[in-house]
Amino acid sequence: DAGITQSPRHKVTETGTPVTLRCHQTENHRYMYWYRQDPGHGLRLIHYSYGVKDTDKGEVSDGYSVSRSKTEDFLLTLESATSSQTSVYFCAISQSPSGSFNEQYFGPGTRLTVT
Amino acid sequence: DQQVKQNSPSLSVQEGRISILNCDYTNSMFDYFLWYKKYPAEGPTFLISISSIKDKNEDGRFTVFLNKSAKHLSLHIVPSQPGDSAVYFCAASVGGSEKLVFGKGTKLTVNP
Repeated sequence: DAGITQSPRHKVTETGTPVTLRCHQTENHRYMYWYRQDPGHGLRLIHYSYGVKDTDKGEVSDGYSVSRSKTEDFLLTLESATSSQTSVYFCAISQSPSGSFNEQYFGPGTRLTVT
Repeated sequence: DQQVKQNSPSLSVQEGRISILNCDYTNSMFDYFLWYKKYPAEGPTFLISISSIKDKNEDGRFTVFLNKSAKHLSLHIVPSQPGDSAVYFCAASVGGSEKLVFGKGTKLTVNP
Protein backbone atom coordinates (compact mmCIF):
# COMPACT_ATOMS: atom_id res chain seq x y z
CA ASP A 1 0.00 0.00 0.00
CA ALA A 2 1.17 3.52 -0.79
CA GLY A 3 2.24 5.40 2.33
CA ILE A 4 -0.58 7.89 2.65
CA THR A 5 -2.10 8.97 5.92
CA GLN A 6 -4.88 11.41 6.61
CA SER A 7 -5.64 13.22 9.83
CA PRO A 8 -7.96 13.43 11.53
CA ARG A 9 -9.91 10.36 10.44
CA HIS A 10 -13.14 11.70 11.90
CA LYS A 11 -14.17 15.21 12.84
CA VAL A 12 -17.35 16.93 13.93
CA THR A 13 -17.36 20.69 13.76
CA GLU A 14 -19.82 23.56 13.91
CA THR A 15 -20.99 25.72 11.05
CA GLY A 16 -18.77 28.75 10.55
CA THR A 17 -15.61 27.32 12.08
CA PRO A 18 -12.41 26.81 10.07
CA VAL A 19 -11.24 23.24 9.60
CA THR A 20 -7.93 21.88 8.30
CA LEU A 21 -7.44 18.35 7.05
CA ARG A 22 -3.97 16.96 6.57
CA CYS A 23 -2.60 14.50 4.05
CA HIS A 24 0.86 13.07 4.52
CA GLN A 25 2.75 10.83 2.08
CA THR A 26 6.01 8.95 2.37
CA GLU A 27 6.28 8.08 -1.34
CA ASN A 28 7.85 11.34 -2.56
CA HIS A 29 5.19 11.55 -5.30
CA ARG A 30 4.92 14.84 -7.11
CA TYR A 31 1.15 15.07 -7.47
CA MET A 32 -1.33 15.26 -4.60
CA TYR A 33 -5.10 15.59 -4.77
CA TRP A 34 -8.08 16.26 -2.53
CA TYR A 35 -11.45 14.69 -3.40
CA ARG A 36 -14.78 14.56 -1.70
CA GLN A 37 -17.15 11.64 -1.94
CA ASP A 38 -20.88 12.13 -1.61
CA PRO A 39 -23.80 9.80 -2.30
CA GLY A 40 -24.94 10.18 -5.89
CA HIS A 41 -21.86 12.17 -6.88
CA GLY A 42 -18.98 9.76 -6.78
CA LEU A 43 -15.53 11.28 -6.35
CA ARG A 44 -15.13 14.96 -7.16
CA LEU A 45 -11.83 16.80 -7.31
CA ILE A 46 -11.50 19.79 -4.98
CA HIS A 47 -7.91 20.93 -5.49
CA TYR A 48 -4.66 19.36 -6.56
CA SER A 49 -0.96 20.10 -6.37
CA TYR A 50 1.76 19.46 -8.92
CA GLY A 51 4.65 20.48 -6.70
CA VAL A 52 5.61 22.42 -3.61
CA LYS A 53 3.64 25.66 -3.58
CA ASP A 54 2.03 24.74 -6.93
CA THR A 55 -1.69 24.14 -6.70
CA ASP A 56 -4.74 24.41 -8.89
CA LYS A 57 -8.49 24.20 -8.59
CA GLY A 58 -10.63 21.22 -9.30
CA GLU A 59 -14.30 20.78 -10.02
CA VAL A 60 -15.69 21.80 -6.61
CA SER A 61 -13.15 24.23 -5.14
CA ASP A 62 -15.48 26.93 -3.76
CA GLY A 63 -15.16 27.25 0.02
CA TYR A 64 -11.86 25.34 0.11
CA SER A 65 -8.22 26.33 0.05
CA VAL A 66 -5.07 24.25 0.01
CA SER A 67 -1.41 24.59 0.79
CA ARG A 68 1.67 22.53 0.11
CA SER A 69 4.85 23.77 1.77
CA LYS A 70 6.59 20.38 1.70
CA THR A 71 6.52 17.52 -0.80
CA GLU A 72 5.02 15.18 1.76
CA ASP A 73 2.19 17.32 3.13
CA PHE A 74 -0.95 18.68 1.47
CA LEU A 75 -3.42 20.59 3.62
CA LEU A 76 -7.08 21.22 2.85
CA THR A 77 -8.76 24.10 4.68
CA LEU A 78 -12.45 24.81 4.92
CA GLU A 79 -12.37 28.51 5.61
CA SER A 80 -15.84 28.64 7.19
CA ALA A 81 -17.43 25.22 7.33
CA THR A 82 -21.01 24.77 6.09
CA SER A 83 -23.36 21.81 6.34
CA SER A 84 -22.97 21.21 2.59
CA GLN A 85 -19.33 20.38 3.26
CA THR A 86 -20.31 17.36 5.35
CA SER A 87 -18.63 14.61 3.37
CA VAL A 88 -15.88 12.04 3.23
CA TYR A 89 -12.62 13.57 2.05
CA PHE A 90 -9.93 11.56 0.31
CA CYS A 91 -6.38 12.48 -0.43
CA ALA A 92 -4.61 10.85 -3.38
CA ILE A 93 -1.10 10.86 -4.79
CA SER A 94 0.46 10.01 -8.13
CA GLN A 95 3.98 9.97 -9.40
CA SER A 96 3.65 11.53 -12.81
CA PRO A 97 0.80 11.33 -15.26
CA SER A 98 2.83 12.16 -18.33
CA GLY A 99 2.46 9.36 -20.81
CA SER A 100 1.12 7.07 -18.14
CA PHE A 101 -2.14 5.99 -16.66
CA ASN A 102 -1.93 8.51 -13.84
CA GLU A 103 -2.68 5.81 -11.33
CA GLN A 104 -3.66 7.63 -8.22
CA TYR A 105 -3.30 6.04 -4.81
CA PHE A 106 -5.77 7.03 -2.16
CA GLY A 107 -5.57 7.58 1.56
CA PRO A 108 -8.06 6.09 4.04
CA GLY A 109 -10.32 9.15 4.12
CA THR A 110 -11.55 11.69 6.65
CA ARG A 111 -15.21 11.74 7.60
CA LEU A 112 -16.22 15.34 8.33
CA THR A 113 -19.56 16.30 9.83
CA VAL A 114 -20.56 19.95 10.00
CA THR A 115 -23.43 20.59 12.43
CA ASP B 1 -22.13 17.83 -17.66
CA GLN B 2 -21.11 14.34 -16.66
CA GLN B 3 -18.24 13.11 -18.81
CA VAL B 4 -18.03 9.64 -17.27
CA LYS B 5 -21.27 7.83 -16.58
CA GLN B 6 -22.01 4.69 -14.65
CA ASN B 7 -25.72 4.30 -15.20
CA SER B 8 -26.28 1.35 -12.87
CA PRO B 9 -26.06 2.41 -9.22
CA SER B 10 -26.12 -1.21 -8.09
CA LEU B 11 -25.67 -4.77 -9.34
CA SER B 12 -26.31 -8.06 -7.60
CA VAL B 13 -24.87 -11.40 -8.80
CA GLN B 14 -24.45 -14.91 -7.47
CA GLU B 15 -21.09 -16.22 -6.37
CA GLY B 16 -19.30 -17.95 -9.23
CA ARG B 17 -21.15 -16.06 -11.93
CA ILE B 18 -19.86 -13.23 -14.08
CA SER B 19 -20.20 -9.60 -12.96
CA ILE B 20 -20.29 -6.99 -15.70
CA LEU B 21 -19.96 -3.34 -14.74
CA ASN B 22 -20.46 -0.73 -17.41
CA CYS B 23 -19.15 2.77 -18.01
CA ASP B 24 -19.83 5.30 -20.77
CA TYR B 25 -17.93 8.45 -21.55
CA THR B 26 -18.63 11.49 -23.67
CA ASN B 27 -15.21 13.12 -24.09
CA SER B 28 -13.53 11.67 -27.17
CA MET B 29 -10.19 13.01 -25.95
CA PHE B 30 -10.06 10.46 -23.11
CA ASP B 31 -7.43 7.87 -23.88
CA TYR B 32 -6.70 6.24 -20.51
CA PHE B 33 -9.30 4.46 -18.44
CA LEU B 34 -9.06 3.02 -14.96
CA TRP B 35 -11.22 1.05 -12.57
CA TYR B 36 -11.08 1.48 -8.82
CA LYS B 37 -12.66 -0.63 -6.09
CA LYS B 38 -13.80 0.82 -2.80
CA TYR B 39 -14.77 -0.97 0.38
CA PRO B 40 -16.75 0.86 3.10
CA ALA B 41 -14.62 3.06 5.37
CA GLU B 42 -11.56 2.65 3.13
CA GLY B 43 -10.03 4.64 0.30
CA PRO B 44 -10.46 3.54 -3.32
CA THR B 45 -7.85 1.11 -4.59
CA PHE B 46 -6.64 0.85 -8.17
CA LEU B 47 -7.84 -2.31 -9.90
CA ILE B 48 -7.06 -2.31 -13.61
CA SER B 49 -6.53 0.10 -16.49
CA ILE B 50 -6.57 0.23 -20.26
CA SER B 51 -5.16 2.50 -22.91
CA SER B 52 -7.18 3.50 -25.95
CA ILE B 53 -4.70 1.69 -28.19
CA LYS B 54 -6.04 -1.59 -26.77
CA ASP B 55 -9.51 -3.06 -26.66
CA LYS B 56 -8.93 -5.54 -23.86
CA ASN B 57 -6.78 -5.91 -20.77
CA GLU B 58 -6.77 -8.85 -18.38
CA ASP B 59 -5.51 -9.28 -14.87
CA GLY B 60 -6.51 -12.54 -13.27
CA ARG B 61 -10.25 -12.61 -12.74
CA PHE B 62 -10.63 -9.04 -13.99
CA THR B 63 -10.90 -8.01 -17.64
CA VAL B 64 -11.62 -4.56 -18.99
CA PHE B 65 -13.02 -4.12 -22.48
CA LEU B 66 -12.95 -0.86 -24.39
CA ASN B 67 -15.19 0.00 -27.34
CA LYS B 68 -13.94 3.36 -28.59
CA SER B 69 -16.55 3.79 -31.29
CA ALA B 70 -19.31 3.41 -28.71
CA LYS B 71 -17.36 5.32 -26.03
CA HIS B 72 -18.04 2.43 -23.70
CA LEU B 73 -16.00 0.29 -21.40
CA SER B 74 -16.87 -2.61 -19.18
CA LEU B 75 -15.28 -4.51 -16.33
CA HIS B 76 -15.83 -8.27 -16.20
CA ILE B 77 -15.20 -10.24 -13.04
CA VAL B 78 -15.12 -14.01 -13.50
CA PRO B 79 -15.84 -15.85 -11.30
CA SER B 80 -17.37 -13.39 -8.87
CA GLN B 81 -16.59 -13.87 -5.19
CA PRO B 82 -18.26 -12.42 -2.07
CA GLY B 83 -15.07 -10.46 -1.37
CA ASP B 84 -15.66 -8.58 -4.63
CA SER B 85 -18.65 -6.85 -3.04
CA ALA B 86 -17.70 -3.19 -3.14
CA VAL B 87 -18.33 0.04 -5.00
CA TYR B 88 -16.56 0.20 -8.36
CA PHE B 89 -15.57 3.51 -9.91
CA CYS B 90 -14.71 4.06 -13.54
CA ALA B 91 -12.26 6.90 -14.24
CA ALA B 92 -10.82 8.48 -17.37
CA SER B 93 -8.12 10.91 -18.35
CA VAL B 94 -6.55 12.52 -21.35
CA GLY B 95 -3.00 11.21 -21.75
CA GLY B 96 -0.55 13.40 -19.89
CA SER B 97 -3.26 15.08 -17.85
CA GLU B 98 -2.79 15.26 -14.13
CA LYS B 99 -6.52 14.86 -13.50
CA LEU B 100 -8.89 11.90 -13.49
CA VAL B 101 -12.62 12.19 -14.08
CA PHE B 102 -14.63 9.68 -12.08
CA GLY B 103 -18.06 8.17 -12.58
CA LYS B 104 -20.53 8.00 -9.72
CA GLY B 105 -19.83 4.36 -8.99
CA THR B 106 -21.68 1.04 -9.08
CA LYS B 107 -22.25 -0.95 -5.91
CA LEU B 108 -21.64 -4.65 -6.59
CA THR B 109 -23.06 -7.26 -4.25
CA VAL B 110 -21.95 -10.86 -4.72
CA ASN B 111 -24.29 -13.24 -2.91
CA PRO B 112 -22.91 -16.55 -1.53
